[in-house]
Amino acid sequence: EAQVTQNPRYLITVTGKKLTVTCSQNMNHEYMSWYRQDPGLGLRQIYYSMNVEVTDKGDVPEGYKVSRKEKRNFPLILESPSPNQTSLYFCASSRDGYTEAFFGQGTRLTVV
Amino acid sequence: RKEVEQDPGPFNVPEGATVAFNCTYSNSASQSFFWYRQDCRKEPKLLMSVYSSGNEDGRFTAQLNRASQYISLLIRDSKLSDSATYLCVVTSTTDSWGKFQFGAGTQVVVTP
Repeated sequence: EAQVTQNPRYLITVTGKKLTVTCSQNMNHEYMSWYRQDPGLGLRQIYYSMNVEVTDKGDVPEGYKVSRKEKRNFPLILESPSPNQTSLYFCASSRDGYTEAFFGQGTRLTVV
Repeated sequence: RKEVEQDPGPFNVPEGATVAFNCTYSNSASQSFFWYRQDCRKEPKLLMSVYSSGNEDGRFTAQLNRASQYISLLIRDSKLSDSATYLCVVTSTTDSWGKFQFGAGTQVVVTP
């Protein structure tokens, strides 16, 4: 079954404690991206990756890091989380960034 | 101005009625267009792609108007299960890769 898997689904953490949200896809997609979704603002792109070792900033990259060492994985790293990063996060993959995007189930992050 | 704009609604629709709503986009070079459905805080899922000639999928009809830069979605014979937020998605070009731009969503509530 084609899918994008994110973990964890829910996370409560404290300010400043580094965390990683994992994302994995089994569709051999080149393109992967991370979004955050906040009420009234829709999905905003954090980072995206066009291929292994190729990443670029999206619209709201501050406070986040990513890496793409393998085609299937695209983890999101928060080195020093702050309360304004409390949000619902989605990972997505697409063959090329033009065709259908498949989303992970989301990670609800709360930073206290 | 946001790149993709939608009326947030909610559109309250009696069961069996027809509802239609639009989405406008600002980038005239946009290449691909989609409607996604998102149930309460779950991952977005593709409802349908939108083609230049317009397309229909069961009770759903999507239209694209490139001259006026909007896409539309019409739902006929609304079902209670159609209650959701509908996201307009437009892709633009970043170098040779696409970039998804999301509207904030239009909420539809179908009532008995």
